[in-house]
Amino acid sequence: GAVVSQHPSRVICKSGTSVKIECRSLDFQATTMFWYRQFPKQSLMLMATSNEGSKATYEQGVEKDKFLINHASLTLSTLTVTSAHPEDSSFYICSANSGSGTTDTQYFGPGTRLTVL
Amino acid sequence: AQSVTQPDIHITVSEGASLELRCNYSYGATPYLFWYVQSPGQGLQLLLKYFSGDTLVQGIKGFEAEFKRSQSSFNLRKPSVHWSDAAEYFCAVGSPGTASKLTFGTGTRLQVTL
Repeated sequence: GAVVSQHPSRVICKSGTSVKIECRSLDFQATTMFWYRQFPKQSLMLMATSNEGSKATYEQGVEKDKFLINHASLTLSTLTVTSAHPEDSSFYICSANSGSGTTDTQYFGPGTRLTVL
Repeated sequence: AQSVTQPDIHITVSEGASLELRCNYSYGATPYLFWYVQSPGQGLQLLLKYFSGDTLVQGIKGFEAEFKRSQSSFNLRKPSVHWSDAAEYFCAVGSPGTASKLTFGTGTRLQVTL
């Protein structure tokens, strides 16, 4: 149980285009999903917290107009990188919160490798 | 603010040897503690977690971790390492409550020699 999928696993795009990444909780409902960014050989940096049916909460320094997050249902959140540039190239990972009262656990997707040319 | 320190950036052990990965945290109360493993180009897999109760936690793949409040530590151990354990290991701390955000350590890369 507690499987999270991401699509696509890899994407290569031209500078200036927009890219959408999907994150799905396959066997549970997730009221909260998180989006992380990971640079090579570094730790995960939280970008934003996505709550179903409401606006995402962005971490300091993350441009909300650049990284659009939509959490339309309890099993799907999307991250859209708008007008992507080479510096946006990174590994993007989502997680979904399998909360049961106060014993929360985040389950992570396999990640999406974005390369902007 | 909560923080996590993983002092060892890179560790190399021989297959069959024991392993201990260090993790120290800073948090005002009893935190939620996690260990995740990441293989190259992959997402994170939960190894084990501590919320409360028994301070020695058993996880998957033969891993265990011990919460020591006095030392603010949550070290990960395995008695006998397998070559397939080579990966990046992340310790994380979360605040109790729903939808808790995790703060990750910088990770420890484990290399296993045959």
